[in-house]
Amino acid sequence: AQSVTQLDSQVPVFEEAPVELRCNYSSSVSVYLFWYVQYPNQGLQLLLKYLSGSTLVESINGFEAEFNKSQTSFHLRKPSVHISDTAEYFCAVHSGGYQKVTFGTGTKLQVIP
Amino acid sequence: DTAVSQTPKYLVTQMGNDKSIKCEQNLGHDTMYWYKQDSKKFLKIMFSYNNKELIINETVPNRFSPKSPDKAHLNLHINSLELGDSAVYFCASSQRSVRTEAFFGQGTRLTVV
Repeated sequence: AQSVTQLDSQVPVFEEAPVELRCNYSSSVSVYLFWYVQYPNQGLQLLLKYLSGSTLVESINGFEAEFNKSQTSFHLRKPSVHISDTAEYFCAVHSGGYQKVTFGTGTKLQVIP
Repeated sequence: DTAVSQTPKYLVTQMGNDKSIKCEQNLGHDTMYWYKQDSKKFLKIMFSYNNKELIINETVPNRFSPKSPDKAHLNLHINSLELGDSAVYFCASSQRSVRTEAFFGQGTRLTVV
């Protein structure tokens, strides 16, 4: 069985400040880790993913996440947030033969002007 | 050109009615899903189909019946709608691999009154 924990349901942060959204997972098998973003009234879309290799992965809009196997974490960070980053962020674990996907409960990032 | 499209976007209906939500993907993916997102943004998988074959069937009332006429379509039919069925329903698709992300539709907001 696998699970994903996002401890923070809401994270308010001022514009241009740094932010970290936390994600911890548990799984008995190898996993692949994803962050998805959901803008208001839209579906989820991929932000970034870790499959193998370098433990630090980046997105095209300045987010990055680091896979830490010993701490079973995949925290998402951005050094300077923008108003347009206001959205719901979901951490997800993919594993199993038939793409079993488990989502975390989501973290709402609220960027304050 | 929308990759995963679902209709309708909004659906308001009375308790006891039967309704359907349609989903189509033009990405050539083998796997399609239905997810339910509740008012707290919690995302839960309902069904997964691979090449028209049911792969994942989570604990969902049998009032919900998915139908896949071909691998590009996965429709969701709901009988005898209840107030608790009110939610946003997302269709998604992916390649058959745990290493790939899912592509989501825009969602169907179902309100049962």
